[in-house]
Amino acid sequence: VIWMTQSPSLLSASTGDRVTISCRMSQGISSYLAWYQQKPGKAPELLIYAASTLQSGVPSRFSGSGSGTDFTLTISCLQSEDFATYYCQQYYSFPWTFGQGTKVEIK
Amino acid sequence: QVQLQESGPGLVKPSQTLSLTCTVSGGSISSGSYYWSWIRQPAGKGLEWIGRIYTSGSTNYNPSLKSRVTISVDTSKNQFSLKLSSVTAADTAVYYCARVPGSVSDAFDIWGQGTMVTVSS
Repeated sequence: VIWMTQSPSLLSASTGDRVTISCRMSQGISSYLAWYQQKPGKAPELLIYAASTLQSGVPSRFSGSGSGTDFTLTISCLQSEDFATYYCQQYYSFPWTFGQGTKVEIK
Repeated sequence: QVQLQESGPGLVKPSQTLSLTCTVSGGSISSGSYYWSWIRQPAGKGLEWIGRIYTSGSTNYNPSLKSRVTISVDTSKNQFSLKLSSVTAADTAVYYCARVPGSVSDAFDIWGQGTMVTVSS
């Protein structure tokens, strides 16, 4: 099983801030990583796959980077609709696993 | 626009079998190289992948649940299903079905809205 450490678990930020979320793997996964955004009471939505490829329709202020064991999700200019919980997910090997989540809250 | 919709009982008794169905609309479940998956999320907690199925019927399951899980597909109804046996309170969660593109990536690109299942007597 590939374990994932996502940090921070809680991030307080203001509209307009640049924020970064980290996801570290217990072993290398090449670029087989996705990022999701989840709002309360809603299903997660895919933001990024293959570590850095933006899903169609996702604003360009979202970006992903990294490969191997260390990955980052960056929101370049936080908007009000971005306050949510973010999850990373590896699909390099079974069982597919998710990070614990990072809640981005209003500072 | 493909959409997924989960359905099934919201309350299951301990030791019984949880059964959910995901109906795919706006496209054929058999088109493309898609896999179809189930994921769950206990209240206030993170996401857990349960398993996936291809329309050929081939499956992959999370080893933590493998002894209790069966995922099946009915292409004639454009549906796939989840059965989880011998449930306990620990299986109480929101259950999501999701699509996996397969050829492009194995990320979950389309999700159902989720259905809450409570295990209680």
